Amino acid sequence: DQQVKQNSPSLSVQEGRISILNCDYTNSMFDYFLWYKKYPAEGPTFLISISSIKDKNEDGRFTVFLNKSAKHLSLHIVPSQPGDSAVYFCAARVNFGNEKLTFGTGTRLTIIP
Amino acid sequence: ETGVTQTPRHLVMGMTNKKSLKCEQHLGHNAMYWYKQSAKKPLELMFVYNFKEQTENNSVPSRFSPECPNSSHLFLHLHTLQPEDSALYLCASSLRLGKLFFGSGTQLSVL
Repeated sequence: DQQVKQNSPSLSVQEGRISILNCDYTNSMFDYFLWYKKYPAEGPTFLISISSIKDKNEDGRFTVFLNKSAKHLSLHIVPSQPGDSAVYFCAARVNFGNEKLTFGTGTRLTIIP
Repeated sequence: ETGVTQTPRHLVMGMTNKKSLKCEQHLGHNAMYWYKQSAKKPLELMFVYNFKEQTENNSVPSRFSPECPNSSHLFLHLHTLQPEDSALYLCASSLRLGKLFFGSGTQLSVL
């Protein structure tokens, strides 16, 4: 049973426009959420996170939104740049102090110049 | 350079072979992890070590045997693997309760 779901395996966005990546979860005990970005032949790198006490966290061009009632989070990238082309993984943790992350299957984002 | 180095980058092995994957972190972290990424599946946590002690074994078959001699080094010993074990194996490290830093992974093919 997949507790973290990324239902869009791929997404293409024009350069300069907004990219919106979505993630749904089923476990209401999750209280910390992260986004990782992965380039080919490299390991995932941390991008941005949000705790369940917030509904928004912003870092430069990246903003993560959390809707706890809908068990949904999204990552907004604006403006999108060609270097943003990568696979994006959503991850969640039960209790901030727990090392065990549950990952989604990833969304491949392609930015079209 | 992420500070987490994995070797080899690619490995092809037969089902009767014994091989080891190596991971080294230069970040001063105290927790190390093995993750498995199969095609079209989420990253799956395999093992967690905190201060060299194994704190998580996510129901991994015994043909995978981890070893953590110190906080900077982590090994995954492989023995009599199956073709379905072919995947990308990722090592990660973190400070206790901190975010994960991943290595580039070992792409394993079992023939």
